[in-house]
Order: sequence, then structure tokens, then C-alpha cells
Amino acid sequence: DQQVKQNSPSLSVQEGRISILNCDYTNSMFDYFLWYKKYPAEGPTFLISISSIKDKNEDGRFTVFLNKSAKHLSLHIVPSQPGDSAVYFCAASEVVGVDRDDKIIFGKGTRLHILP
Amino acid sequence: KAGVTQTPRYLIKTRGQQVTLSCSPISGHRSVSWYQQTPGQGLQFLFEYFSETQRNKGNFPGRFSGRQFSNSRSEMNVSTLELGDSALYLCASSLIPVGGYTFGSGTRLTVV
Repeated sequence: DQQVKQNSPSLSVQEGRISILNCDYTNSMFDYFLWYKKYPAEGPTFLISISSIKDKNEDGRFTVFLNKSAKHLSLHIVPSQPGDSAVYFCAASEVVGVDRDDKIIFGKGTRLHILP
Repeated sequence: KAGVTQTPRYLIKTRGQQVTLSCSPISGHRSVSWYQQTPGQGLQFLFEYFSETQRNKGNFPGRFSGRQFSNSRSEMNVSTLELGDSALYLCASSLIPVGGYTFGSGTRLTVV
């Protein structure tokens, strides 16, 4: 059973417009969420994260929104640039007992194409 | 500082063989995690090591094993390879668990 779901395998957005990548989760114990970006032949790189005590975190062109009641988060990229074309992974983790569980659960990824 | 180094980058093995993949974390990082990436399943957690101890394990069969050395370098071993083991194996290191893991470029394993 997938605990972190990215239902759109791919997304195409015009350069300069807003890219919105969505992610849903089922485990209500997740309290920390991350987005990773991956280019072909490279490992994923950390992009931005958000704790469950917040509903928004912004870093330059990247903003992550968290809706805990809907168990939904989204990554907004504004404005979209050609270098943003990559696969984006949503990930989540939870605290187990008194320690944070080191096991990060990833979604299957969304391939973003930025069109010229 | 140097990033996470994984060797080899590419590997072709036949069914039934065994393979060992290596990961050198960023200097000072003591947490090393391994992930398998396939087109159908995305990124799946294999196991995580911290200070030579396996702290967490994903839902993979016992053919998948790993270890971490005193210098934090880690190895992953897959025995009795199956065609379905063909994947990109990624190693990630961090100073502390979770947060901004730094990933290596991966080892692409092809089983024929």
C-alpha cells in the first residue's frame, strides 16, 4: 500500500508559468515532508521541506504547501524555467517513539517538462 | 567537499550471481541509507546504517543485505540475483537522520 502518492506521472508547463506538483499521503503520523529533484543519471537532490506545524514554506521560486486535514501537499515553482525539467519526488517521514524514523517514504515521482 | 561516491556506476550480472555495491558518504556523515529505484516502484527504502549499526530495514527479501564500516563507508550485497533486481541503487548520507540527505549518482545494475 502506497503511503505517499504522486498521481501524475508527468506534467508539462510553459516556461515562465507556474508548475504545481501534487502529493497525497495516507499515514497521519507523517510529520515531516520533503521534495527532491532528480536529473537523469544523477541522484536526487534535496529541494525543500516542511514540518507539519507549518502550512507553507518558501525558498526562492519554490513554495511547498501542506494541507494536513486533506493529507495533501503541493510544490509550486514560479516562474518555471527550462532547468526545472526533472523528476520530482515527494517524501515523508514520521517520529516513531521518541526517535525520528530514518525511513523516508518516497512517492513514485512526477516528471516535469518545461516547454519553451 | 566531495559528495557521496558510489561504485561502480554500471554493472551487468547474470541471474544467480551475487553483487556488492559500495558507497562512500560525505566526510563526517555517519548515516547512510540505500534505496532502489525502478520505473514501476519509484524510490524504495532498503536499509539505513548509523555508526555501523543497521537502524532500519525496508520490505526487501533477505537476499539484500548491507553493512557499514568504522569509516562510515557502506556496502550493499545482493545474492542470487533475479531479473527483477535490475534497478538503479542509490546511496544517501546525512549528518543526522532525515532532513537534507545527499544522494550519490547511483549504481545501475542490470541482471540478464
